[in-house]
Amino acid sequence: KAGVTQTPRYLIKTRGQQVTLSCSPISGHRSVSWYQQTPGQGLQFLFEYFSETQRNKGNFPGRFSGRQFSNSRSEMNVSTLELGDSALYLCASSPHPGYYEQYFGPGTRLTVT
Amino acid sequence: DQQVKQNSPSLSVQEGRISILNCDYTNSMFDYFLWYKKYPAEGPTFLISISSIKDKNEDGRFTVFLNKSAKHLSLHIVPSQPGDSAVYFCAANRINAGNMLTFGGGTRLMVKP
Repeated sequence: KAGVTQTPRYLIKTRGQQVTLSCSPISGHRSVSWYQQTPGQGLQFLFEYFSETQRNKGNFPGRFSGRQFSNSRSEMNVSTLELGDSALYLCASSPHPGYYEQYFGPGTRLTVT
Repeated sequence: DQQVKQNSPSLSVQEGRISILNCDYTNSMFDYFLWYKKYPAEGPTFLISISSIKDKNEDGRFTVFLNKSAKHLSLHIVPSQPGDSAVYFCAANRINAGNMLTFGGGTRLMVKP
């Protein structure tokens, strides 16, 4: 089975721009979560989607948003980028929300200049 | 407010010996705990998990111990191998909270040949 895939792997953007990151979960997995990893804050939960619905959202500003499609693929969007948004963005999937083990993709490294 | 803490940022162990990685949590609502291993430029890889109804779970060279009264868990790796060198994260989840992991800050394990 193919693992979680994320595109693009690397991205450089300028302050004020917006960015969209994509995640394809493991086949058959319907729950997708997003996390941000930074040196200062570590790994932090962004949001979780299941059946095209956002189930949970972490403590991030409204500039961070996401969605899930009917095929379980997910995208996250960050608008009005700030330097502090530079991070590794990780997507994780699991079969459903009650299945606690999540499987992570390789991440998208976003650099904001 | 760090609800999951890994107080040792790094640990160095000789090949063949035991590696013990520790994790403390403060939120008594956490009831499922996981360990992930992460190599640079890759997403975290799930290692082993434990439910709060157990105090021990084994999988090959990896054993996780949970002490609920002390709000403490540990990961034992026996015997340690150079390929185990990575950053290890403990994570916690709350029942019925979906897939919303709270991560510790990580411990960098170095296994010396």
